[in-house]
Amino acid sequence: AQRVTQPEKLLSVFKGAPVELKCNYSYSGSPELFWYVQYSRQRLQLLLRHISRESIKGFTADLNKGETSFHLKKPFAQEEDSAMYYCALRGAGGTSYGKLTFGQGTILTVHP
Amino acid sequence: ETGVTQSPTHLIKTRGQQVTLRCSSQSGHNTVSWYQQALGQGPQFIFQYYREEENGRGNFPPRFSGLQFPNYSSELNVNALELDDSALYLCATRAGSNTEAFFGQGTRLTVV
Repeated sequence: AQRVTQPEKLLSVFKGAPVELKCNYSYSGSPELFWYVQYSRQRLQLLLRHISRESIKGFTADLNKGETSFHLKKPFAQEEDSAMYYCALRGAGGTSYGKLTFGQGTILTVHP
Repeated sequence: ETGVTQSPTHLIKTRGQQVTLRCSSQSGHNTVSWYQQALGQGPQFIFQYYREEENGRGNFPPRFSGLQFPNYSSELNVNALELDDSALYLCATRAGSNTEAFFGQGTRLTVV
């Protein structure tokens, strides 16, 4: 079974502070991991995916298979980063193929 | 802004009724997935269609059914509505197995 856990429902930081949004997963094969973001009154959109290994809007995420984690990090948070963040996993095959399993989401608030 | 459009944006139905939600696919996207997002939760996978055939299903009863048309637009049908069906319904389309999924803005269904 696929499972994604985001332990923090709410996360508040001040502008310029580092931020880390935690994500742990459970999957028996080789998963594909994503971070999606939803800004206020906007649709869900992809922030980054682990296979791209790129930094988007200053955010990075490293897949740690040993710890089954895919934490999202940014060294200096900005007010415009305030949004809902979802970690998601996509299965590799069988009936899981193409299915995205989402965590419950973390609301990030960056204070001025 | 993506080309994935859902209609209607809001809908109120009575328990026991049937509802049809629609999703227009972004050009070239032959795969569509539907998700249910209850308040305070992450999206939950309902099912996926590829070239008009269902090829993946989550833990939803048969009264949740779908269609995908030759132009890759899609419908989600829910029969015998229950109060717990009240949620935001999202569709996501993508061009292939290893590509990004683009989400629509969602349809907010309220069952009274």
